[in-house]
Amino acid sequence: GAGVSQSPRYKVAKRGQDVALRCDPISGHVSLFWYQQALGQGPEFLTYFQNEAQLDKSGLPSDRFFAERPEGSVSTLKIQRTQQEDSAVYLCASSSVGVMNTEAFFGQGTRLTVV
Amino acid sequence: GENVEQHPSTLSVQEGDSAVIKCTYSDSASNYFPWYKQELGKRPQLIIDIRSNVGEKKDQRIAVTLNKTAKHFSLHITETQPEDSAVYFCAAFLYSSASKIIFGSGTRLSIRP
Repeated sequence: GAGVSQSPRYKVAKRGQDVALRCDPISGHVSLFWYQQALGQGPEFLTYFQNEAQLDKSGLPSDRFFAERPEGSVSTLKIQRTQQEDSAVYLCASSSVGVMNTEAFFGQGTRLTVV
Repeated sequence: GENVEQHPSTLSVQEGDSAVIKCTYSDSASNYFPWYKQELGKRPQLIIDIRSNVGEKKDQRIAVTLNKTAKHFSLHITETQPEDSAVYFCAAFLYSSASKIIFGSGTRLSIRP
């Protein structure tokens, strides 16, 4: 497709359930980023991939959060044993060069609600 | 730690007037400063960016200024229109981390008719 695609758009999970969020970046984009956006807040960095390598995961809030990009294209963000505080919009972004000092294109996000 | 502060958090201006949003950053090595516009329920979209080797950049009604010495940068929107109503985020690329953009907390801009 022409842009960054994320699925599902909406996800309701029961507390304690595992979830997996998918990101399809723009074809050929080297860099891929995950952000968490709480209601009324700016996006908070979670993790960064350059191709298949996860170069920075300093923003992952706990060991319940795990991200992968095994073939350097599609990425999955997995959250185990979801908690209510995990409720947020999860945004994926990609850019075309190896460092993020050029335009990053965002997906429409996945809104996760933990009940 | 690394930080981007953004002010004001909300801004209401009369249609046709100018709007100014200000941000400061903590890492003097930052070299790229994008601004994103996010409409309700939609993805953030880049509206303008500036690199550290210039002090000002303009694109029609939108301009951004950068003061590297003071470590602050500003977004200026002139002749505001109703479609400018949205949340605006400033951001700074932290060269030292070489990996991530840090976002400000956002400014909700409302244009009064």
